[in-house]
Amino acid sequence: DTAVSQTPKYLVTQMGNDKSIKCEQNLGHDTMYWYKQDSKKFLKIMFSYNNKELIINETVPNRFSPKSPDKAHLNLHINSLELGDSAVYFCASSPRTGAVTEAFFGQGTRLTVV
Amino acid sequence: AQSVTQLDSHVSVSEGTPVLLRCNYSSSYSPSLFWYVQHPNKGLQLLLKYTSAATLVKGINGFEAEFKKSETSFHLTKPSAHMSDAAEYFCVVTPYNNNDMRFGAGTRLTVKP
Repeated sequence: DTAVSQTPKYLVTQMGNDKSIKCEQNLGHDTMYWYKQDSKKFLKIMFSYNNKELIINETVPNRFSPKSPDKAHLNLHINSLELGDSAVYFCASSPRTGAVTEAFFGQGTRLTVV
Repeated sequence: AQSVTQLDSHVSVSEGTPVLLRCNYSSSYSPSLFWYVQHPNKGLQLLLKYTSAATLVKGINGFEAEFKKSETSFHLTKPSAHMSDAAEYFCVVTPYNNNDMRFGAGTRLTVKP
């Protein structure tokens, strides 16, 4: 069973379109994240949700809007796509506890804007 | 605020020789530290994590890392590189509550035959 699953795996779309990436985790975790990995492999956190509540919202254009219908899902909607949005987007989850624990990552969604 | 610096963007070793990937961190809090590996076109896999129980941490595939508070370092090592170790490696720091993971820029490991 896949712990953190993202769909789609690949997404090619034209500039100006609106698209969504879905993420689901079956680990029972409270916290979920979206990361963006650019062409130089640099990973930057975009959003973090804990139990459907937004915790971290880095400096991301407001064209990006996360939606968490329940704590097992964190979807990413992107409006008016731009060329610079091309990247690999990773979803992740982790338990929200005080103990040291790692995040579990999905396989990534490669977004190409043409 | 916390951050990590991976001191080498690219490391190249021969198969069978030791691997050293360097990471320095800064954190206002008692940090949690991790190493992740990303093989080409794959997701991220946890190699190992630091808990306060032991400063020398052993991970999967023969990797280990040593937490040195005095040097604010968490370098990743492996005694003998294998071809399958070729990948991108990320050092990660988080504060104790684990809601703000910060990745280093990554180190690309190349293993030559």
